[in-house]
Amino acid sequence: DGGITQSPKYLFRKEGQNVTLSCEQNLNHDAMYWYRQDPGQGLRLIYYSQIVNDFQKGDIAEGYSVSREKKESFPLTVTSAQKNPTAFYLCASSIPGIRSEAFFGQGTRLTVV
Amino acid sequence: GESVGLHLPTLSVQEGDNSIINCAYSNSASDYFIWYKQESGKGPQFIIDIRSNMDKRQGQRVTVLLNKTVKHLSLQIAATQPGDSAVYFCAENIDTGGFKTIFGAGTRLFVKA
Repeated sequence: DGGITQSPKYLFRKEGQNVTLSCEQNLNHDAMYWYRQDPGQGLRLIYYSQIVNDFQKGDIAEGYSVSREKKESFPLTVTSAQKNPTAFYLCASSIPGIRSEAFFGQGTRLTVV
Repeated sequence: GESVGLHLPTLSVQEGDNSIINCAYSNSASDYFIWYKQESGKGPQFIIDIRSNMDKRQGQRVTVLLNKTVKHLSLQIAATQPGDSAVYFCAENIDTGGFKTIFGAGTRLFVKA
């Protein structure tokens, strides 16, 4: 079945550590996105990529990094520079275009301990 | 700044009644709007979309209305069922040189049996 897979579902990180969240899709979508969701808030865009080997910063990119070496994969690294990393992280993919819906993964809940 | 906001954070309806979820947006350049449904612990899923050149679109049990004059979007759910309980987000796609989706804060819908 086609879809978008995030792993792990739950992740715990010690303060000062970097951690990488995985996102893989087999929908053959060119565009991929990372969002952060805090309780009681909407989704805020961290990074997005329209094509392999290219990506752009979203609204809250500070403290995060990404890579897009393969069409299917768009990993997100939460660095120690991110001051408040505890959140629910959602990855999505879509066909590039203004009239295009996003397909979301099931999310990764990151907690700093 | 750019924002897509919702008038009510929570909405409680009786099973079988109709639900109306409202959304205000601020970006006049938005061309495409989407409603997503997010169940607890999961990623958002597409419900229905509407282009800016339309004022109404109907799906199965759902209708989206767009009023560009007052920058208002609404989602109507007919004969609300317990399975409709979720958080609903409106979102707008904008073209800023790269396509970006802006999400609102969300409305949590409770369906009472």
